[in-house]
Amino acid sequence: GAGVSQTPSNKVTEKGKYVELRCDPISGHTALYWYRQSLGQGPEFLIYFQGTGAADDSGLPNDRFFAVRPEGSVSTLKIQRTERGDSAVYLCASSLMAGGSNYGYTFGSGTRLTVV
Amino acid sequence: AQRVTQPEKLLSVFKGAPVELKCNYSYSGSPELFWYVQYSRQRLQLLLRHISRESIKGFTADLNKGETSFHLKKPFAQEEDSAMYYCALKPTGGFKTIFGAGTRLFVKA
Repeated sequence: GAGVSQTPSNKVTEKGKYVELRCDPISGHTALYWYRQSLGQGPEFLIYFQGTGAADDSGLPNDRFFAVRPEGSVSTLKIQRTERGDSAVYLCASSLMAGGSNYGYTFGSGTRLTVV
Repeated sequence: AQRVTQPEKLLSVFKGAPVELKCNYSYSGSPELFWYVQYSRQRLQLLLRHISRESIKGFTADLNKGETSFHLKKPFAQEEDSAMYYCALKPTGGFKTIFGAGTRLFVKA
C-alpha cells in the first residue's frame, strides 16, 4: 500500500482479555517497528523486526507482550491478560533500510487501545 | 543512558515571530538526530534529519555536539506550523529511535 496501515484504529477491551493489533507496512520495507505512546509522552520503543525475525525486543515491557511477522510483511502485536496500564496508542513504523538509517521512519496512524 | 530532553511542553508564539524548539540529548557516541511532527488528526511524520542538513517548511536544525543540542528553528512562524514536535535520537548503527516527550507549538494569529 501507499502507507503504513494499522488496524483497528480503536480498540476497547476489558481487563484480562487478549488483544491483537495489526500492522501492514509499506511494500518493500524490510524493517518494522512497534512503539507505544502514552498520554503526554513521546513514542517508546517496543520491538524491531528485520524481515521475519525480531532483531531487538528489548522494549517489550513483560511477557504478556509478544509480536510476530511470519512472512516478513504484516506484523501482529499480541497482548495477553490486558491491564489498565496497557492503555496507550500503539504505533507501527517501517523503513527501507535496516535501522531506518538516514531516512527515518514512516509511521502508521496508530491503534488507540483502551483497557477498561 | 541515551536520553532526549525537550524542556518545553508548550511553546506559544505570534505569527511572523521566530521560533526555537529546544532539544538536548544524552549519548556518548555520534547519534543520528531527527525531528518528527504531528499535525492535528494526522500521523507522526518525519520533518527533517541532521545528516541531510536540509530546510523543510522553513525549519532548520543544527547539531551542536559541544552542547549536545539539536534545536529546531524557524525565522517566521506560520499558523500552519501549529503541531506537536518530537526530537529523536538514533545511535549510529543502532536500530531503535529514542523520542523526547514532545513540544506543542501554538502559533497565534
